Amino acid sequence: AQSVTQLGSHVSVSEGALVLLRCNYSSSVPPYLFWYVQYPNQGLQLLLKYTSAATLVKGINGFEAEFKKSETSFHLTKPPAHMSDAAEYFCAVSDYKLSFGAGTTVTVRA
Amino acid sequence: NAGVTQTPKFQVLKTGQSMTLQCAQDMNHNSMYWYRQDPGMGLRLIYYSASEGTTDKGEVPNGYNVSRLNKREFSLRLESAAPSQTSVYFCASSESPGAGTEAFFGQGTRLTVV
Repeated sequence: AQSVTQLGSHVSVSEGALVLLRCNYSSSVPPYLFWYVQYPNQGLQLLLKYTSAATLVKGINGFEAEFKKSETSFHLTKPPAHMSDAAEYFCAVSDYKLSFGAGTTVTVRA
Repeated sequence: NAGVTQTPKFQVLKTGQSMTLQCAQDMNHNSMYWYRQDPGMGLRLIYYSASEGTTDKGEVPNGYNVSRLNKREFSLRLESAAPSQTSVYFCASSESPGAGTEAFFGQGTRLTVV
């Protein structure tokens, strides 16, 4: 079964700095990968998805992710960080269902 | 544009009580899912329905049952609630069960079993 591993359960960044969230996948075939965001007391919202059309994927609100097959990674970045980016972020991989990583909580320091 | 609607939003149960969580989507999606979210564990799939009339177990199905009532509705039932089922439950839907399709989520049901 396909799975993803998120490195780091909590990331703290200064406002204006780069946000980098790490995700590695395990799959023997090119996977479909997603990043979702969850704001407090809300459901999950799609940020972006990789479906093999391009290795650099742009999402909403300035987020980007790069698919690197050699590293089996799909890391999420956002320069610069805003206070409104404070949330929990989930990496997910899809076959017939979505399987999620454990999540990374982002806090933004003023 | 309601999307995925879950009811109730909050619930407190006593151990051994039963309840049904309701979920409805208005996007004409074929597939629907129930996840539970616990701190540090991400979202874990309880049950899913790839299409109307079918249901299958996910990672953590024990203690739960589901019903795909029609294309719009997918309910989750706890027959005899246990404290270990204290969690936030999310319903989701997607156009098809195939890889690469985005899932849309409800706002969640926060369940506490005492």
